[in-house]
Amino acid sequence: SQQGEEDPQALSIQEGENATMNCSYKTSINNLQWYRQNSGRGLVHLILIRSNEREKHSGRLRVTLDTSKKSSSLLITASRAADTASYFCATDLSGTYKYIFGTGTRLKVLA
Amino acid sequence: GAVVSQHPSRVICKSGTSVKIECRSLDFQATTMFWYRQFPKQSLMLMATSNEGSKATYEQGVEKDKFLINHASLTLSTLTVTSAHPEDSSFYICSAQQGRDTEAFFGQGTRLTVV
Repeated sequence: SQQGEEDPQALSIQEGENATMNCSYKTSINNLQWYRQNSGRGLVHLILIRSNEREKHSGRLRVTLDTSKKSSSLLITASRAADTASYFCATDLSGTYKYIFGTGTRLKVLA
Repeated sequence: GAVVSQHPSRVICKSGTSVKIECRSLDFQATTMFWYRQFPKQSLMLMATSNEGSKATYEQGVEKDKFLINHASLTLSTLTVTSAHPEDSSFYICSAQQGRDTEAFFGQGTRLTVV
């Protein structure tokens, strides 16, 4: 079963613009991770944010976490064509080890 | 980051045969590995949790006799799709973690096609 829903399902922007993707989840979590997947490939880890953290940065990526709203957002600034991929959030349910994935956002960055 | 190697990356098999997929953590020990399945343009669905030295824990709706999981060592887990049928065709991905509250590292996935 899916733990999270991502919004939007698909996003198309011009190179240089910012892209924001949102993830909502249902139950309490330990951590939330964001991953990128290029078509037909494995997953690349982007950022892990813990339940006691509110914001993390990594290069052009900014992730926020609001545990009261059970939601997270991923912001990619100054997007590039190479950022074209599917982006997934995954949550580590409290009391368990396992990560459950959201539905994903397909991002297309036009050159 | 840590490396998880999955093999094979692509396999085509005949209906009724069995296929084994390996997942190895190359530079760390993973007491727990996870197996996911992904249909085209969909998200990853967790199939099972593979625990070293004990039986795997399957998610609801996953047939444990169909998808055999063995976690023989701290660096290797295998998924065997038994008596494969065309509907088993999918992208299978494993992940491994060094411990709780750490990032999960993913293999590159195995694309299984059953003809």
